[in-house]
This record gives sequence, C-alpha cells and structure tokens, in this order.
Amino acid sequence: DAGVIQSPRHEVTEMGQEVTLRCKPISGHNSLFWYRQTMMRGLELLIYFNNNVPIDDSGMPEDRFSAKMPNASFSTLKIQPSEPRDSAVYFCASSLLVSSEQFFGPGTRLTVL
Amino acid sequence: GQQLNQSPQSMFIQEGEDVSMNCTSSSIFNTWLWYKQDPGEGPVLLIALYKAGELTSNGRLTAQFGITRKDSFLNISASIPSDVGIYFCAGQGETSGSRLTFGEGTQLTVNP
Repeated sequence: DAGVIQSPRHEVTEMGQEVTLRCKPISGHNSLFWYRQTMMRGLELLIYFNNNVPIDDSGMPEDRFSAKMPNASFSTLKIQPSEPRDSAVYFCASSLLVSSEQFFGPGTRLTVL
Repeated sequence: GQQLNQSPQSMFIQEGEDVSMNCTSSSIFNTWLWYKQDPGEGPVLLIALYKAGELTSNGRLTAQFGITRKDSFLNISASIPSDVGIYFCAGQGETSGSRLTFGEGTQLTVNP
C-alpha cells in the first residue's frame, strides 16, 4: 500500500518566491497534518484538517503561510513570499479520525536562499 | 500548553547493549506513541499505547504507558547498528483533539 506521498522531496528557491508543497494522504484517512521540523524547534504542528476542514491552524507562523485541502486525497501548503527562516523539512502526516496513530510522509526539504 | 520532556537527548552504545529512553509530561495523556526517524526520512510509528499501565512489545522494542498517565518509556534490547536514528515520543492529551505533542527526540548511535 502507498504511504503518504509528498512532493517535491527537495526545493531550493530564492527569498520572495512562492513555494507550494503537496501531499497525498493514505487512502481512507480523513485527518491530515502539516508539520515543520528544524534543529532549533523540533517537530512543530502547523495545521491539521479533519474531513478536509481546517480544525487548528494556530501553528501557522504567519500570514505568509496558507494550507488548503480541496478534497480527501490532496493538500497543499503554500508560502508566499518565502524567507530564509522558512528553510526546514516539512512533513505531511495522515490518520484515521478515530485514531491517534499518524503516518508521516518522507518530507520536503525546503531551502530558501 | 502541554510539554513533553524526553531523555536522554543522545546515547552512544555498543552493539548488543540494551537501551532505555523515556518521556514525561506536565499533563495527563490518553495515548502515547513512539516513532523512529532515519536521516532524510519521515518518522515511522513503532509502538502505540492506549491504556495506563499498558506494556507493548514490537520485536526487540518494548514500551510502557505509565500508571500516572504522565510518562512512558521505550526499551530496545540487544541493539544492532540499524537501530541508529532519532526516537521520538508523542502524546495525545484529553483536550488536544487530534493534535500530538512531540518530545525533543533521543539520538541513538550504535557502535558495531
């Protein structure tokens, strides 16, 4: 079975550019989570969706970050404009609504120059 | 908010040794999860615990949900080189909905 799929795996961009990260959750999972991982701050939850509806976006750093989930099989995390401090690994995870067990994708390593 | 303290931060052991790491919380958790992360990959779920006092094994891994519901430990027996990685605990509280709180991680190095 396919796990959580993320693209791209690596992204290098220049400050001020728009960045879009993509995620396909495990089929049948109805909760989706976006995390950011850095050495300094560890794993931080940015936002999560239940049944395609954003439930908690309190972890989104600022208005430059936005996330959408137009359907059960696709989500995007957009950063516009990007800044060097946004450099991190961004993970998407999914789970069943009734379960605590979250399954992570391989991550997108973002570097903003 | 909820906080998780994970210790130790890092461990350097010889192949064949047993390993123990733990997490403590400032508040009660309903669920404890243990993940392992290899370099360049996402965290992989190892063990999930749902009841206070629960002891669960997965091969050479054993984890327990503390009786107070504020702590959990993970043991690895007879370590092998492929156990190298970062181990994270994660907990879900009574009022956190689907949100997990993650520990800071334990970096494990196994010398052959």
